Amino acid sequence: KAGVTQTPRYLIKTRGQQVTLSCSPISGHRSVSWYQQTPGQGLQFLFEYFSETQRNKGNFPGRFSGRQFSNSRSEMNVSTLELGDSALYLCASNRAGDEQFFGPGTRLTVL
Amino acid sequence: QKEVEQNSGPLSVPEGAIASLNCTYSDRGSQSFFWYRQYSGKSPELIMFIYSNGDKEDGRFTAQLNKASQYVSLLIRDSQPSDSATYLCAVNPRGATNKLIFGTGTLLAVQP
Repeated sequence: KAGVTQTPRYLIKTRGQQVTLSCSPISGHRSVSWYQQTPGQGLQFLFEYFSETQRNKGNFPGRFSGRQFSNSRSEMNVSTLELGDSALYLCASNRAGDEQFFGPGTRLTVL
Repeated sequence: QKEVEQNSGPLSVPEGAIASLNCTYSDRGSQSFFWYRQYSGKSPELIMFIYSNGDKEDGRFTAQLNKASQYVSLLIRDSQPSDSATYLCAVNPRGATNKLIFGTGTLLAVQP
């Protein structure tokens, strides 16, 4: 059974640009959660999608958005990038019971 | 007060010893509790989850939950150098499906 796939794995952008990250969950999982991990703040919840609907949202500015498609694949978008957005962005594929399985992550560097 | 608190460590134990990792949480209504292991440069890997008070064992790992004290722990028996990693405690708060609040993690170093 394939695991969680995230693309791209690495990304370098400059301030003011926008970026789109993609996540394909484990087959059969309908829920996807996104997290940001930084050395200073640790792992922080961004949002969660189930059947194309956002059910939960963390405390991030509106520059951070996401969506989910009918095949459960999810994307997150960050607009007007800031230096502080440099982080590892993790997607988790959710099985019933809140068990979450993380993908390899996308490392975003903002210059 | 942080929602999920862990001692950042490093916790150093000799090979073959028991490593004890602790975590406290502030939301008394939290429903489920998770331990993840994260090697440097890698993504978190789910080790254990526990929902009910008491102990849950899986191989060399035992998770312990005490909801009255808002405390969850992870014991690693017969620690191996390959267990050296950061261990993250995560809590699912009440009313928030598939949302985990993570502690900052405890760095475990198992000395050969």
